[in-house]
Amino acid sequence: DIQMTQSPSTLSASVGDRVTITCRAGQKISNWLAWYQQKPGKAPKLLISQASSLENGVPSRFSGSASGTEFTLTISSLQPDDVATYYCQQFKSFSKTFGRGTKVE
Amino acid sequence: QITLKESGPPVVKPTQTLTLTCTFSGFSLSAYGVGVGWIRQPPGEALEWLADIDWDGDKYYSPDLKSRLTITKDTSKNQVVLTMTNMDPLDTGTYFCAQRPHDSRGSGYFQHWGQGALVIVSS
Repeated sequence: DIQMTQSPSTLSASVGDRVTITCRAGQKISNWLAWYQQKPGKAPKLLISQASSLENGVPSRFSGSASGTEFTLTISSLQPDDVATYYCQQFKSFSKTFGRGTKVE
Repeated sequence: QITLKESGPPVVKPTQTLTLTCTFSGFSLSAYGVGVGWIRQPPGEALEWLADIDWDGDKYYSPDLKSRLTITKDTSKNQVVLTMTNMDPLDTGTYFCAQRPHDSRGSGYFQHWGQGALVIVSS
């Protein structure tokens, strides 16, 4: 399995803050990484695929980037609606793996 | 509009076999490059990928659970079925099915998700 190490596990921020979440892959995965947002009691929602490709309808304050095996999800200006848990997922391998999640409070 | 919905027993006893059905609409599982996967989430914990089935019938399983899982599809009914044998209380959680779209850049992410089905394993 390709391990995905996500940090931090919890993040406290204020409205308008720039928020950065990091996911490090245990081996090279090219850009085969997705980011999801999950609100309590709801299914995950795809935000970004291919490390930096924003899904249709996702606000432009969300962005993704990659550098080697380190991937970053950035929220440029945190909004109240962004309170959620965020997960990364690699799909380089047929055996897909998720990060442990980052709760944004 | 793509929708998926999971169905199955809300409670199973330890050692029993769980059968979950994902019924979907808005896409065809016979379309090139498309797939459906199952992902679960224990209460308060992270997402865990379980299995995928592709448009061409190829199947992929979590190495940790491979011996207990079987995934099948019925294209005519627009359904994907997951069975998990020898259920344990640690298998308690919400089980999601999700659609994997065809993406020429690389497919393997889940674009559309069902609402999830809570399964409790208890005697």
